[in-house]
Amino acid sequence: LAKTTQPISMDSYEGQEVNITCSHNNIATNDYITWYQQFPSQGPRFIIQGYKTKVTNEVASLFIPADRKSSTLSLPRVSLSDTAVYYCLVGFSGGYNKLIFGAGTRLAVHP
Amino acid sequence: KAGVTQTPRYLIKTRGQQVTLSCSPISGHRSVSWYQQTPGQGLQFLFEYFSETQRNKGNFPGRFSGRQFSNSRSEMNVSTLELGDSALYLCASSPDGSEKLFFGSGTQLSVL
Repeated sequence: LAKTTQPISMDSYEGQEVNITCSHNNIATNDYITWYQQFPSQGPRFIIQGYKTKVTNEVASLFIPADRKSSTLSLPRVSLSDTAVYYCLVGFSGGYNKLIFGAGTRLAVHP
Repeated sequence: KAGVTQTPRYLIKTRGQQVTLSCSPISGHRSVSWYQQTPGQGLQFLFEYFSETQRNKGNFPGRFSGRQFSNSRSEMNVSTLELGDSALYLCASSPDGSEKLFFGSGTQLSVL
């Protein structure tokens, strides 16, 4: 079963780029990697998803090396409103019961 | 489009009671899945329904059950509540059970 590992917390300042890495050593061949953002008292919100190499959308980039044993969420020029918990999710190829959420990375953005 | 709606937002129950939580998915989404979130265990998958059929089930006791109606709305039931059932229960929907999940704001359940 895939297991994911993320840093517990990170600190940054407004305007900086933040990179959060998730390790998933036992990722299955057909598993996707998805990142979510969660604010207090809200459900997780989809940020980005990828399978390999690099994916970019209007809010983030996702870098996945060739061996797919890790992935890095990159948030460009963070603001105070990016203060949240970020989760990586690995799975789906084996069904929902094989979904593995990371423990989450608490990102604090300071003025 | 309206997002995923969960009711009630907060619930307080006592041990031994049962509780029913409701989830209305995004219009057109046929897959609804449920999750338990606690500070100690993080996000854990409970079960997933697609077109009224339970397709996947997580590793939770039989006290946790659910169902999905023909309009895709879903309910989750927990019987004989225990203190450890206190958690944020999240519902998510997706068009076809794909990886892109849309979550509701959750129901915060407190068991006293």
